[in-house]
Amino acid sequence: QSALTQPASVSGSPGQSITISCTGTSSDVGSYNLVSWYQQHPGKAPKLMIYEVSKRPSGVSNRFSGSKSGNTASLTISGLQAEDEADYYCCSYAGSSTLGVFGGGTKLTVL
Amino acid sequence: EVQLVESGGGLVQPGRSLRLSCAASGFTFDDYAMHWVRQAPGKGLEWVSGISWNSGSIGYADSVKGRFTISRDNAKNSLYLQMNSLRAEDTALYYCAKDIGTTVTTSHVSGAFDIWGQGTMVTVSS
Repeated sequence: QSALTQPASVSGSPGQSITISCTGTSSDVGSYNLVSWYQQHPGKAPKLMIYEVSKRPSGVSNRFSGSKSGNTASLTISGLQAEDEADYYCCSYAGSSTLGVFGGGTKLTVL
Repeated sequence: EVQLVESGGGLVQPGRSLRLSCAASGFTFDDYAMHWVRQAPGKGLEWVSGISWNSGSIGYADSVKGRFTISRDNAKNSLYLQMNSLRAEDTALYYCAKDIGTTVTTSHVSGAFDIWGQGTMVTVSS
């Protein structure tokens, strides 16, 4: 059970697009279309932004999108806004005994 | 209102035990898998344990396997985490989280968490 790999930080200017990668293995990201993404503001509980690689829960802006290729999943945020500044985590289902494994998190700074 | 409320955290000495509880409301509890996720101070999220709707599928992170036990009582809409042999590295905010569900797995566990509690803090220190 190794954590998924995310960049420690990314940044972008308002209106731009950014992409956060999440690299796993053939035992987790590569085996299941069950990757999810979370946004966490300081002192708050995480919020689900994307599930099953590319599905958005009700109420989540369509500026957030997800994709996957092989063992790497990605979260793209378009039209960056100040309120997007937060920590972002990916998570993958990894089998019947490891129901979830998170990435280390990525701090998004909106310049 | 859909809600998860954790309780049972506190300060405990290394080697001792603690039992966390999570009370669910506002949704059909026994339709969904449930999980515990923790976050050490200033650190990232770590999945700790999960349990399917009927307790037929249970999983643990390697870091807690053999020490923690997850369980649920669907009649009481409650989730539990029995934590034994606690270590300093178990110090964290423990979140209860609802699985969004899926048809992809036979257990309907997706490993995606759409509802979170506010967490209960566990501090392991002498």
